[in-house]
Amino acid sequence: SSELTQDPAVSVALGQTVRITCQGDSLRNYYASWYQQKPGQAPVLVIYGKNDRPSGIPDRFSGSSSRNTASLTITGAQAEDEADYYCNSRDSSGNRVFGGGTKLTVL
Amino acid sequence: EVELLESGGGLVQPGVSLRLSCAASGFTFSSYDMSWVRQAPGKALEWVSGISSSGGSTYFADSVKGRFTISRDNSKNTLYLQMNSLRAEDTAVYYCAKEFGVNYGMDVWGQGTTVIVSS
Repeated sequence: SSELTQDPAVSVALGQTVRITCQGDSLRNYYASWYQQKPGQAPVLVIYGKNDRPSGIPDRFSGSSSRNTASLTITGAQAEDEADYYCNSRDSSGNRVFGGGTKLTVL
Repeated sequence: EVELLESGGGLVQPGVSLRLSCAASGFTFSSYDMSWVRQAPGKALEWVSGISSSGGSTYFADSVKGRFTISRDNSKNTLYLQMNSLRAEDTAVYYCAKEFGVNYGMDVWGQGTTVIVSS
């Protein structure tokens, strides 16, 4: 089965830019989607497709992809962005897979 | 309002079965693939199972293959997860999620139902 690898933890100063990455072979063929999860809450989709945001997601969130790596960038991080972030994609068998998650701390 | 509401969780002993339900509202349920995702305490999200809009295709993570089945009743706007031979490692919050597009993601999530497998 395919795997997606994320850094366990990342920190960013308030108002600065942070990039969270996700690596995996499935990303060569499938887009990553990104989810924000705050403690005790269900995940929320923040980025999907090439670089699209669902309605209501601030435009400081953006996505990109190159070869086997997908990235989520937060430009001008806010205190409310502190959360766990997960990438997800399909694999060739039609299954989905999540990365191990990245805990974002806003300093 | 688009909504997913899970039910059926609880405390069960190892080896028994449990069926989770997910009631959908606010969208055309029969048009969308659906997934179950779980999260063990303090752990990452884990995709468990998915089903096509018609129910004709199903997918399972290796960790549950052969023990769990997924189904849907489009006339009742309800998704199911039948969990058999439950193990302690199946203890988690189980979320149902609506997929949109083959290569896009899961845009609507329920609030989850908790399954605890313990003797």
